[in-house]
Amino acid sequence: QLQLQESGPGLVKSSETLSLTCTVSGGSISSGNYYWGWLRQTPGKGLEWIGSIYYSGSTFYNPSLRGRVTIFVDTSENQFSLKLTSVTAADTAVYYCGRPYLYGSGGLDVFYIWGQGTTVAV
Amino acid sequence: QSVLTQPPSVSGTPGQTVTISCSGSSSNLGGNTVNWYQQLPGTAPKLLIYRSNQRPSGVPGRFSGSKSGTSASLAISGLQSEDEADYYCSAWDDSLHAVVFGGGTKLTVL
Repeated sequence: QLQLQESGPGLVKSSETLSLTCTVSGGSISSGNYYWGWLRQTPGKGLEWIGSIYYSGSTFYNPSLRGRVTIFVDTSENQFSLKLTSVTAADTAVYYCGRPYLYGSGGLDVFYIWGQGTTVAV
Repeated sequence: QSVLTQPPSVSGTPGQTVTISCSGSSSNLGGNTVNWYQQLPGTAPKLLIYRSNQRPSGVPGRFSGSKSGTSASLAISGLQSEDEADYYCSAWDDSLHAVVFGGGTKLTVL
């Protein structure tokens, strides 16, 4: 059974870089044509898609965060990671990693398997 | 200020059918399909409906989705107490080049 688990600091100082990792277990990040994604949720703005990555490294980012966000994959560790630079209080959120239900870039919007989420405060 | 618009709350009694609406524009719901998620308190969202009217395996048939033009709806029939949760719609937006979400609807089972 595929499982995702987010990890990283729960507190980040303003103007610094937020770094989170999603570890995939029960399956290989390289199998299937999935775009693995990061999302976040705040009481004020609700759910927000941050971006998605294919195991080959191909990425899609939310333009609202472009310039601050980088998502990269480490297939040897079966992980993918998020870096968000120059954080402010507005980046305080519960961060989720997820895997779509459908293959390919056309399916990256259908998040099926989610991590439990990790709270990051700035 | 979400791209997709949902009512903040709906309510119903056990056994009833309730519907939750999701309104968008030509750049999202007008040309793309909608997905629906259920979120119980303290948990991650769960996919209920994808591609407007498809259910992943394991989702009860009480949940159904539809889309027409720039609007979509989620119907929950035979309402049960465990359906009390927040529900979100989402879609790809061709103008924003992003996955967008509704602000969420809190379903209360009276």
